[in-house]
Order: sequence, then C-alpha cells, then structure tokens
Amino acid sequence: DAKTTQPPSMDCAEGRAANLPCNHSTISGNEYVYWYRQIHSQGPQYIIHGLKNNETNEMASLIITEDRKSSTLILPHATLRDTAVYYCIVRVDTGRRALTFGSGTRLQVQP
Amino acid sequence: DARVTQTPRHKVTEMGQEVTMRCQPILGHNTVFWYRQTMMQGLELLAYFRNRAPLDDSGMPKDRFSAEMPDATLATLKIQPSEPRDSAVYFCASGLVLGGLSEQYFGPGTRLTVT
Repeated sequence: DAKTTQPPSMDCAEGRAANLPCNHSTISGNEYVYWYRQIHSQGPQYIIHGLKNNETNEMASLIITEDRKSSTLILPHATLRDTAVYYCIVRVDTGRRALTFGSGTRLQVQP
Repeated sequence: DARVTQTPRHKVTEMGQEVTMRCQPILGHNTVFWYRQTMMQGLELLAYFRNRAPLDDSGMPKDRFSAEMPDATLATLKIQPSEPRDSAVYFCASGLVLGGLSEQYFGPGTRLTVT
C-alpha cells in the first residue's frame, strides 16, 4: 500500500470548514484513498473513500487531485464532536484487506 | 443500529495470567480483524479472518497469542501467558467483503492492563 503523509495536528474553529490534507505521491492506479477517524477512547470510524472522483456523503467530502498524488478531507461545518485523529489510508482492493494506519492528523475543533 | 461488540471493555491482570477477549461481529459480515493500539506503535493489525478462516496472522506473536472464530458470531483473541508489554487497547473490526471494497466497523475496544 502507498505511503501517506499527513500533518500531525490542526486546529479549526467550530462551525468552520475543516480541510485535512493528505499526500500520497506514490499511489498507484488501483489504490483507493480511505479516511477514518478515531475519537478519544473509541474505535476508528469509517468516514469516506474514493478512487479518482470527488466523493461526498453525510459526514464529509473527499477531494482527490487530478494526478491523485494528494487529497483533502473536508468537514463542512466542524463541531466539537469532530475533535479526533483523522487517518488517511491508501490501499488496493485486492488481496490483503486490512488497514495500515499511520500516525494521522489530530484535529482540535475550538469553541 | 448494528454494531461490533467487544467484551470485556477493561481487563486488569497479572503477568503470566491468561487473557481472553471476545468480539461479536456485525451479523452478516464475513471478515473479522483484530488490531492493537499502543501509544508507541499506534494501530497495528494482529490477525484477520474471512468466513471464519484465518487469512493473515503475521502481526501476532505466535508463541503467546492465538485468534479463533469458533462460529460466525464470535471471534476470540487469547494471550497466554500475558506480559506487561501486552498492555494496550485491542480492537475488533468486521466488514463484508464480496470481491469488492468494504468499510470496516470497529468495536469499542478492550483496554488491557498487565501488571
């Protein structure tokens, strides 16, 4: 699976959009971008995933650059409950299907 | 709504004792994962099962850890004998894989402390 790079921490004001970047410059054509988050003392939670097109669901939007070397997770209106560690994971859809977690980005939403 | 359940939520035990952690995957899911999380190592995969058969347990110390799925509704992770370095939060996750992608749904974890 391709390696990802994320900033270790970010702050965001409550009610504002949180934009979390992820670099995956070695991504290959059959690798998907996944985002999970982990709120303190809880198990990781799936947020969204995509291959090349931008994706949106009830939780977030995922913007993938045209060259697929980076992506951004957008939480449109961050709340205090969005404070968590956010993991960007790149993996193929065949073979080993376990997740390889990096160190993620610790997002702190400020009141 | 459907959730992965894990028991116990907390376990404190002495070094050398056997520890068994249990996981009930979401009904209908065919893949179960065990992860371990520590401050030093972060989240790491220990083992995973597809249709109850072990597919990968390369992340698990074989001499003391064992993972099984006696039936589709129960996965167990056993440590015997336990050591202080096993202190961690152990997460179980389940997913449905039918040749394509699947999200993984994580349980709340078992916080293990070995003294």
